[in-house]
Amino acid sequence: QVQLVESGGGLVKPGGSLRLSCAASGFTFSDYYMSWIRQAPGKGLEWVSYISSSSSYTNYADSVKGRFTISRDNAKNSLYLQMNSLRAEDTAVYYCARGGELPLLDWGQGTLVTVSS
Amino acid sequence: IQLTQSPSSLSASVGDRVTITCRASQGISSYLAWYQQKPGKAPKLLIYAASTLQSGVPSRFSGSGSGTDFTLTISSLQPEDFATYYCQQLNSYPRTFGQGTKVEIK
Repeated sequence: QVQLVESGGGLVKPGGSLRLSCAASGFTFSDYYMSWIRQAPGKGLEWVSYISSSSSYTNYADSVKGRFTISRDNAKNSLYLQMNSLRAEDTAVYYCARGGELPLLDWGQGTLVTVSS
Repeated sequence: IQLTQSPSSLSASVGDRVTITCRASQGISSYLAWYQQKPGKAPKLLIYAASTLQSGVPSRFSGSGSGTDFTLTISSLQPEDFATYYCQQLNSYPRTFGQGTKVEIK
């Protein structure tokens, strides 16, 4: 079955950096667009970024553009999110999901990122 | 594109028919999905293309609409359906979500 396992979350100071990873299994990773979505504590869902199957296309929410970079390694069945210049408002659970052009078919369990001094 | 869900929350009893509305700020054809999220869990895809039921989702869930107005209907609410529901537009980027509708037990 499809499994998406995020890692790399934690506590970071404002202005700091963090790299999230998502390990995928149970499907042909290189066939699918992949996305990151976040959810601030007690709030709704916010789409963050997507990347095409071959990494040719990426797109970002305005709130993270220029600070976050999405990437993938199809040989390792892995998705990444490099987060720089982190702000308090980036505090959230970050989910990776299978899909991007398509609906978000499957989601990981999420990893919590807390930005605080 | 902004998505506005109504109501933001509702209280209902087991067996009730429940309808949630999602309105888009501009036309999105049928490029709309619905997700269910239970506390502490990841969201789960229920419906895509406005009215297509995702595999494995109970038939009491249905979706309708096109253009700017969409609805999610639960024909007979079950105990496991108490959750928060989100719509998402798939017409353009950024892929925005509605603010969510929390379905609570009356």
